[in-house]
Amino acid sequence: DTAVSQTPKYLVTQMGNDKSIKCEQNLGHDTMYWYKQDSKKFLKIMFSYNNKELIINETVPNRFSPKSPDKAHLNLHINSLELGDSAVYFCASSPMGETHISTDTQYFGPGTRLTVL
Amino acid sequence: GQNIDQPTEMTATEGAIVQINCTYQTSGFNGLFWYQQHAGEAPTFLSYNVLDGLEEKGRFSSFLSRSKGYSYLLLKELQMKDSASYLCAALDSNYQLIWGAGTKLIIKP
Repeated sequence: DTAVSQTPKYLVTQMGNDKSIKCEQNLGHDTMYWYKQDSKKFLKIMFSYNNKELIINETVPNRFSPKSPDKAHLNLHINSLELGDSAVYFCASSPMGETHISTDTQYFGPGTRLTVL
Repeated sequence: GQNIDQPTEMTATEGAIVQINCTYQTSGFNGLFWYQQHAGEAPTFLSYNVLDGLEEKGRFSSFLSRSKGYSYLLLKELQMKDSASYLCAALDSNYQLIWGAGTKLIIKP
């Protein structure tokens, strides 16, 4: 049984397009995350979200927006795609901790490799 | 600023022991994680240290010194399947994970 799943696994698109990546977790976790891993393998957090609060990394352009239809899903919408958006995007989830960001183990999805042409 | 340093690449021999070091500078500290990431796959959790000392888990152990801002991951009895990148990540005072770039470990027969 897949714990954290993402679709699509690969996404190739033209500059300027709008695209979405879906993420679902069946672990019953309260907190979900989106990360961007660039070609240098740095993992950069983009958003963390639970049913109470969205925390945005201020360096993330507002072309990126998370949408959570329910606790088990956190989708990532990207408008006006740019070449620099090419990367692997990981979704993750974790149980809720004392604060809105958990110190517990994060479980990662398989990643979505986005290529912008 | 916040920073995580770890070696870019290490090479070791099957059956041997390897230690991957990580130093961190963060605004506050709420623990340190080690993750393993095979090429083309998602990171998977290995360990979490928040207190000083050594935590052993099978062939893998993780050590933390908060006063020195230092951690290491020790891998014993290396197997070919241990070839992967090992990511060090520190949790800052806002409970944000600050990630290192990872250490690519190459295991040779």
